[in-house]
Amino acid sequence: NAGVTQTPKFQVLKTGQSMTLQCAQDMNHNSMYWYRQDPGMGLRLIYYSASEGTTDKGEVPNGYNVSRLNKREFSLRLESAAPSQTSVYFCASGWSLVGSNTEAFFGQGTRLTVV
Amino acid sequence: KNQVEQSPQSLIILEGKNCTLQCNYTVSPFSNLRWYKQDTGRGPVSLTIMTFSENTKSNGRYTATLDADTKQSSLHITASQLSDSASYICVVSGSGGSYIPTFGRGTSLIVHP
Repeated sequence: NAGVTQTPKFQVLKTGQSMTLQCAQDMNHNSMYWYRQDPGMGLRLIYYSASEGTTDKGEVPNGYNVSRLNKREFSLRLESAAPSQTSVYFCASGWSLVGSNTEAFFGQGTRLTVV
Repeated sequence: KNQVEQSPQSLIILEGKNCTLQCNYTVSPFSNLRWYKQDTGRGPVSLTIMTFSENTKSNGRYTATLDADTKQSSLHITASQLSDSASYICVVSGSGGSYIPTFGRGTSLIVHP
């Protein structure tokens, strides 16, 4: 079972460069999420997609854009990378945003360094 | 603002010992509370979910409790093993307009042989 697959696993960018983080899930989940995790800060929600065709801002959306390409795929784009975006990025998916069926299944993470 | 506070921030115990991690939250209205385990270099994995009507739930050596009146939860680990070394994250989901989950910063547990 692949679950949630993120690519790439590691990336180094120069300030101002752009890149797209890819995420795909094979569990037929409706909801997908992008988080960043920084030391001492915990996981913070960047963007989420409650269902195919919809996206919404989370807690820290500035500097990012997302695309829910289809039910399986949810990409995160950095248009002009900044050192403050150095972090570990996690994609997750789940059945629902509400109710008891809210378990999130996480990918392995992408370690991004912006120099 | 919805908040989830976890304590302690870090904990070191000897293999075979028990420990208890704490989670206090202000999320309202409350829907459910999850405990996740995150191994180093991996994504978090759900251990258990607690809903409003549940006081205690066990998953092997892990036992979670919930007091919805005081808005507190605990995760008790019995007979710790080296593989329990990880970060434990408390996540609280609300209902209505506050349904986006709120994550705690986690408790880092190290189990020494």
